[in-house]
Amino acid sequence: AQTVTQSQPEMSVQEAETVTLSCTYDTSESDYYLFWYKQPPSRQMILVIRQEAYKQQNATENRFSVNFQKAAKSFSLKISDSQLGDAAMYFCAYSKNDMRFGAGTRLTVKP
Amino acid sequence: NAGVTQTPKFRILKIGQSMTLQCTQDMNHNYMYWYRQDPGMGLKLIYYSVGAGITDKGEVPNGYNVSRSTTEDFPLRLELAAPSQTSVYFCASSYPRTASNQPQHFGDGTRLSIL
Repeated sequence: AQTVTQSQPEMSVQEAETVTLSCTYDTSESDYYLFWYKQPPSRQMILVIRQEAYKQQNATENRFSVNFQKAAKSFSLKISDSQLGDAAMYFCAYSKNDMRFGAGTRLTVKP
Repeated sequence: NAGVTQTPKFRILKIGQSMTLQCTQDMNHNYMYWYRQDPGMGLKLIYYSVGAGITDKGEVPNGYNVSRSTTEDFPLRLELAAPSQTSVYFCASSYPRTASNQPQHFGDGTRLSIL
């Protein structure tokens, strides 16, 4: 079964600095998709970024980028120029036939 | 657009009671999902549906039932509520073609407490 592991329960970053959230996954598939979702205190699940496994190029969305290492089954999220509004739970997710989530990383942004 | 709408937002049940969590979407998405999120944890898939009349079990289906009579609606039923079912429940939907490469659109969640 596919599993997703987020090894950092909590992370903290200074406003305007850069932070990287880690995610690893386990799969025997070669074609799949990976996502990062943000969950603020409002509980909404908001898509941050996604990556197709067949693409070598790392996805980028404004201040958010990923480091996708397919052989290592690693999918980390980098947030540049961190803002107070980035504070939230961040979930890594793997999708093939259904979607599996990691346990999440709580990100705190210090002013 | 309303997107994915879940009702109710909060509910308290007694052990052994039954209830239905409602979910409806107005995006014409074929794929719909139910997740539960326990405190400090990620989401776990309960059931999903790839279209009207078709449902499949996810990771944690025990104690739940679903139906999908229309494209829009995907209710989740708890027949005999147990304290272990205390959780936040999320409904989601995704674009019709394939589920894998499409992000899921989530409802705002239902916080359910079983006492």
